[in-house]
Amino acid sequence: KAGVTQTPRYLIKTRGQQVTLSCSPISGHRSVSWYQQTPGQGLQFLFEYFSETQRNKGNFPGRFSGRQFSNSRSEMNVSTLELGDSALYLCASSPTAHVTGELFFGEGSRLTVL
Amino acid sequence: KQEVTQIPAALSVPEGENLVLNCSFTDSAIYNLQWFRQDPGKGLTSLLLIQSSQREQTSGRLNASLDKSSGRSTLYIAASQPGDSATYLCAVRPGAAGNKLTFGGGTRVLVKP
Repeated sequence: KAGVTQTPRYLIKTRGQQVTLSCSPISGHRSVSWYQQTPGQGLQFLFEYFSETQRNKGNFPGRFSGRQFSNSRSEMNVSTLELGDSALYLCASSPTAHVTGELFFGEGSRLTVL
Repeated sequence: KQEVTQIPAALSVPEGENLVLNCSFTDSAIYNLQWFRQDPGKGLTSLLLIQSSQREQTSGRLNASLDKSSGRSTLYIAASQPGDSATYLCAVRPGAAGNKLTFGGGTRVLVKP
């Protein structure tokens, strides 16, 4: 059974550009959540989607957005990139949005902003 | 606001020694706690998930305990091996927030041959 797939794995952008990251959850999983990991702040929750609806959102500026498609694949977008957006972006999937479910993470997309 | 702390931030042990990793959280109103392993530059691998109604969970050489009332969880790794070298993270789920996890800062473990 394939795990959570994130693309691209690595990317380099310059300040002011925008970026789109993709996440394909484990087959049958309908909940997708996104996290940002930086050396200074650790792992921080960005947002969660279930059945194409955003259920939760973390404390990030509006430059960070996401969406989920009918096949449960999700994308997140960061506009007007800043140096501080350099991070490992991790996607996690879960079978449901129920609170007792286990989360499974992908390998992440490492974004470097120059 | 829930805060999760993992102390120490790093530790080094000789191969064969048992590992004890600590995780504390400030708000005991959690639905579950999950332990993860992260290798350098990689994603998170789920190790154990403990529901709030459970006291412990075991998988092979791994055993995790949960004491909700005192806001603590401990991950035990028996007979450590060099392959256990990684960063270990704990995360709590506050419940009403769906799949929003609050993570600790992690403990970086080095098992020396």
